[in-house]
Amino acid sequence: QLQLQESGPGLVKPSETLSLTCIVSGGSIRSSAYYWGWIRQPPGKGLEWIGNLFYTGTTYYNPSLKSRVTISVDTSQNQFSLRLTSVTAADTAVYYCARREIDPGRFDYWGQGTLVTVSS
Amino acid sequence: SYVLTQPPSVSVAPGKTAKITCGENNIESKSVHWYRQKPGQAPVLVMYYDSDRPSAISERISGSRSGNTATLTISRVAAGDEADYYCQVWDRSSDHVVFGGGTKLTVL
Repeated sequence: QLQLQESGPGLVKPSETLSLTCIVSGGSIRSSAYYWGWIRQPPGKGLEWIGNLFYTGTTYYNPSLKSRVTISVDTSQNQFSLRLTSVTAADTAVYYCARREIDPGRFDYWGQGTLVTVSS
Repeated sequence: SYVLTQPPSVSVAPGKTAKITCGENNIESKSVHWYRQKPGQAPVLVMYYDSDRPSAISERISGSRSGNTATLTISRVAAGDEADYYCQVWDRSSDHVVFGGGTKLTVL
């Protein structure tokens, strides 16, 4: 059974960089059939797609976040990571990592999510 | 970019049928997927390719599409169906993903 687990600081100061890692177990991140993605959800609000990564390093980002986001992969550790720079209070959210079937783009496995609060 | 429009809330009496819609002008060419999210939990895929249901999901849940509107239907609604429901599409040309704003299903 595939499992994804997010990890990283729960508190980040404004203007600093948010960094999270998603550890994948029960399956290989080196699959030609899947992307690996990040989705976030501000408290009380809806889901927002952040971006997707293919194990070769190819990435696709939400245009609204593209200038601040980097998603990278470490295939040797079977994990992928999210970096979001210059954070503000608006970036406070539960961050989920998930596996996404390349076509037609459904997210079939999700991590449990981790709350990141941006505050001084 | 585009926006997927969902009603913010749907209320239904126990045992009745709930319908949650998802609309967008260019949705015709895209597959729609649906997720259920209960408080404090991660979303769970409940419908994909418009009307295919994962094996672990109740047969009371079905999906359909008519033109630019996709619909998630939950029959014989029970208290356990209370949740937020999100539709999602994937834009093949840009490889971008879009979620609808979500619909809160309340069982009266």
